[in-house]
Amino acid sequence: SQQGEEDPQALSIQEGENATMNCSYKTSINNLQWYRQNSGRGLVHLILIRSNEREKHSGRLRVTLDTSKKSSSLLITASRAADTASYFCATEVSGAGGTSYGKLTFGQGTILTVHP
Amino acid sequence: SAVISQKPSRDICQRGTSLTIQCQVDSQVTMMFWYRQQPGQSLTLIATANQGSEATYESGFVIDKFPISRPNLTFSTLTVSNMSPEDSSIYLCSSGLARETQYFGPGTRLLVL
Repeated sequence: SQQGEEDPQALSIQEGENATMNCSYKTSINNLQWYRQNSGRGLVHLILIRSNEREKHSGRLRVTLDTSKKSSSLLITASRAADTASYFCATEVSGAGGTSYGKLTFGQGTILTVHP
Repeated sequence: SAVISQKPSRDICQRGTSLTIQCQVDSQVTMMFWYRQQPGQSLTLIATANQGSEATYESGFVIDKFPISRPNLTFSTLTVSNMSPEDSSIYLCSSGLARETQYFGPGTRLLVL
């Protein structure tokens, strides 16, 4: 079963506005990663946040992680038309004893449309 | 960061045939993974390609349908066997260290008629 659920499924905003996407998951994780995908092409890695981190920034991106609620959010500030894409969260699940196998479980994704 | 290439980038195939997809990483990596993305859907892990041993398949995926090779630390192939229209998807490989960023190839877009 899918580990992650994302909301909203689709988000439409104007250029300059902020976009917030949320991700929830079900089991213990080592880290959570956010990816962008343009028009069904390959995935571009945006940011990784580890289970012992609460917030991370990268340029116009801000990611938060709340392990008690098993949720994460991705904030894109001052959005641009070029940010139009699908955004996915993916969790690296923690195995027994904190082991890691590197494999990811993806959320359903949020389709972001930024209008010029 | 790893640079990953895939061949072919896209293909149109007839049902009942097989297609082998290649994945090349620009550096030696321990872990390589294969994912499927069905139309309008998210990514689902097919299997972990293990170097020197058989691949480890996720629930719902079997070796007869998706045989995988991993002859060395930079290369892997995924074969989609006896294809049907339901196999039409984007197939992506990825690699990376455990607990670190996983990098993805550009994907292979497959259409089965």
